[in-house]
Amino acid sequence: KAGVTQTPRYLIKTRGQQVTLSCSPISGHRSVSWYQQTPGQGLQFLFEYFSETQRNKGNFPGRFSGRQFSNSRSEMNVSTLELGDSALYLCASSLGPYTDTQYFGPGTRLTVL
Amino acid sequence: KQEVTQIPAALSVPEGENLVLNCSFTDSAIYNLQWFRQDPGKGLTSLLLIQSSQREQTSGRLNASLDKSSGRSTLYIAASQPGDSATYLCAVPIQTGANNLFFGTGTRLTVIP
Repeated sequence: KAGVTQTPRYLIKTRGQQVTLSCSPISGHRSVSWYQQTPGQGLQFLFEYFSETQRNKGNFPGRFSGRQFSNSRSEMNVSTLELGDSALYLCASSLGPYTDTQYFGPGTRLTVL
Repeated sequence: KQEVTQIPAALSVPEGENLVLNCSFTDSAIYNLQWFRQDPGKGLTSLLLIQSSQREQTSGRLNASLDKSSGRSTLYIAASQPGDSATYLCAVPIQTGANNLFFGTGTRLTVIP
């Protein structure tokens, strides 16, 4: 069974631009969560989606948004990029909406210049 | 507010040694606790998940224990190997029954051949 896939793996953007990251969960998994990882702040929760609905959102500004499609694939968008948005963005999937083992993708490395 | 601390931040051991990684959390009302490993620049791999009703879980050379009353979990690695070199993270759900995790600061383990 294929694991969680994230595209693209690497991105370089400039300040003020926007970016869209994609995540395809493990087949059959309906819950997708996103995390941001930086050297200074560590791993921080961004959003959680289940059945196309955002269930929870972390403490991030409104520039960070996401959505989930009917096939459980998810995208996150960051608008008006700032230097501090440079990070590894990780997506995780799990079977259902309740706390369960999460399976992480390889991440998208975003660099903002 | 939940705080998750992992001590030490870094650890170097010779191959073959048994070792213990520590995770402390301030809010004992956790639903479960998960241990992950992360290789440099990669995503996270789930190692063990301990439900709040359990005291320990084992997988191969790994054994994780949970003591909710004292707010502590330990990950025991037996007969360490160079391939065990990675950063180990513990995580607890931010909200009961949700797939949003609060991660510890991590312990970077180096196993010296």
